[in-house]
Formats: sequence, C-alpha cells, structure tokens
Amino acid sequence: ETGVTQSPTHLIKTRGQQVTLRCSSQSGHNTVSWYQQALGQGPQFIFQYYREEENGRGNFPPRFSGLQFPNYSSELNVNALELDDSALYLCASSRPDGGYNEQFFGPGTRLTVL
Amino acid sequence: QQQVKQSPQSLIVQKGGISIINCAYENTAFDYFPWYQQFPGKGPALLIAIRPDVSEKKEGRFTISFNKSAKQFSLHIMDSQPGDSATYFCAASIENTGTASKLTFGTGTRLQVTL
Repeated sequence: ETGVTQSPTHLIKTRGQQVTLRCSSQSGHNTVSWYQQALGQGPQFIFQYYREEENGRGNFPPRFSGLQFPNYSSELNVNALELDDSALYLCASSRPDGGYNEQFFGPGTRLTVL
Repeated sequence: QQQVKQSPQSLIVQKGGISIINCAYENTAFDYFPWYQQFPGKGPALLIAIRPDVSEKKEGRFTISFNKSAKQFSLHIMDSQPGDSATYFCAASIENTGTASKLTFGTGTRLQVTL
C-alpha cells in the first residue's frame, strides 16, 4: 500500500453538476499528478502540480481544474459534468527533485455521472 | 492519438508458464518505460522500469526486453503464479530533470493465471 490517499472512494453525480476530488500525497512528496482511467482503458494524464503550480496538462478541457495546497495535497475539480466523465480518477505523488521520480498511485475515486 | 499500443488485450496462462505482454511506442523522445500492475479496486503499482540505454532488465520473475530500433518493449513474467492475475499496463514518458514524468499508458492487458 502506498501512502497516497484519495477521497471520496465513490461518487455519483448528474450531468451538469460540479465535483471536487481530493488527494493526499505520500509524506515528503511535493508533486501530484492526476489521471483519468475510463473503464477498460489505461490512465490518461490530466495535469500535474509541483509546489502549488500547474506543471503540464494533458488533452482535457478547461472545465477540469486543480489546486495544490502548501501541504502538497491536491484537489481535482470538474465543472459541467458530462456522461463521458464517468471514470476512475487516480492521483499519483512523487518527489522528482529529491531523486525519486517513481509515481505512487492512490486507490482512486470512482465517479459515475448519470 | 494513442502513442503506446499494447497487446494482447487479455491473456490466460497456466501456472508455471511464461506470460508475455508487448508494447510499441511512436514518440522517439520517450526515454523511460515503466510497467504497472493493477489489481481490482487498487491504483496501479510500479512493477519494473527500463531506460533505453539497456536492452534488458530483470527483477526476480519479471523481465523487460527493450528494442530501441523497433520502438518496442515487452514484459515477461516467468513461472507465472495465480497471484500474478491482474491488469498490466505499459507506459512511456520523457524524463525531465527535477519534475515528474507525465506518463502515457497503454490500454492494458488482463492476465489470468490458471491452476
């Protein structure tokens, strides 16, 4: 088990609603990356936060946004939910500037949009 | 655009057999190639990784073979065990000094090891 935790575990929303997912990084890690994993697919990179700044973004629309806090925990916000947003959302933490580039994944948040 | 192609989609291997999963990539700038193992209800966990300066890396029963000219790499699981039954993902990224990699994943291979 990694030290990365995510909340909530499961979430059900309806189209058009907004959702916030949370991630606590492993102790000592200052970078959090978010990935979307659709059913039966590999994770897709959404964005990454390093020391509270966005450090790279994948091919996701602006209604996907994020934050990183001074304790390096992070939030993923999705506005105007669409049915295709139903997926497992994974966060991964790392500390690349400490020589530890390996990304440790949390268990994910399963989002269902009805 | 799928930059990392993975095959097969599913694989059934008898206990003690060899499991082989293949991946091909397109972006020649990729320089870090990890394999992840994911059990149901869990996040992916790093299994083994390779960089393109070597052609093979072995850790226990797990071996990565890397062919830079063909832009292909594969995972071999020797003496496969029922506990290896999981979904395996290959990935690729461009390593940047001081910042975390942005991983591009394959579509996954569901491995079932039978008794």
